[in-house]
Amino acid sequence: NAGVTQTPKFQVLKTGQSMTLQCAQDMNHEYMSWYRQDPGMGLRLIHYSVGAGITDQGEVPNGYNVSRSTTEDFPLRLLSAAPSQTSVYFCASRLDRGNTEAFFGQGTRLTVV
Amino acid sequence: AQKITQTQPGMFVQEKEAVTLDCTYDTSDPSYGLFWYKQPSSGEMIFLIYQGSYDQQNATEGRYSLNFQKARKSANLVISASQLGDSAMYFCAMREFMEYGNKLVFGAGTILRVKS
Repeated sequence: NAGVTQTPKFQVLKTGQSMTLQCAQDMNHEYMSWYRQDPGMGLRLIHYSVGAGITDQGEVPNGYNVSRSTTEDFPLRLLSAAPSQTSVYFCASRLDRGNTEAFFGQGTRLTVV
Repeated sequence: AQKITQTQPGMFVQEKEAVTLDCTYDTSDPSYGLFWYKQPSSGEMIFLIYQGSYDQQNATEGRYSLNFQKARKSANLVISASQLGDSAMYFCAMREFMEYGNKLVFGAGTILRVKS
């Protein structure tokens, strides 16, 4: 009963490095999304996907890429890490477009030095 | 303009007492959903309760209830009989519809500390 699985849990990057945060869900959910959490700002949407092959930008997409080749996986790529991307990243999924509960992964704490 | 406002950065409550965490929201969409999530120190986001804009009754889930006042655009979370394990950050969120999907818009959160 895995739910939403994010890897890694912690990561330290040097400025300019690239990396991919992994997210997988086993609930056959259509909707998946990536949020970042910064102190005093709650969670903000980076990118989201409404199904395999369909992605769109959220409110803070700059510096991040996503793709959705399968229903299960929704990786988030940092192209060239910057200190401003130091944050906690959450992947979430939910069943459909309606007002259904979003299930969150455990989070990835990323530090860019 | 901020869509979700949580005016209490931090709250203290005595164990076994009730506590209300405030949340006000702003939307012009007649159809929306309001959520509360709990984030303990371990970091995961735990869904607590949901209220739909057309729901006639306030939502309840065990010790959690949502005091929904639509005209005032408020959706306060009430936790009854507080327990030490309730100490956490609490986020109010609203579902906002976009062209191809929707997103959760979060407030800044309220840190709750339960005292023994």
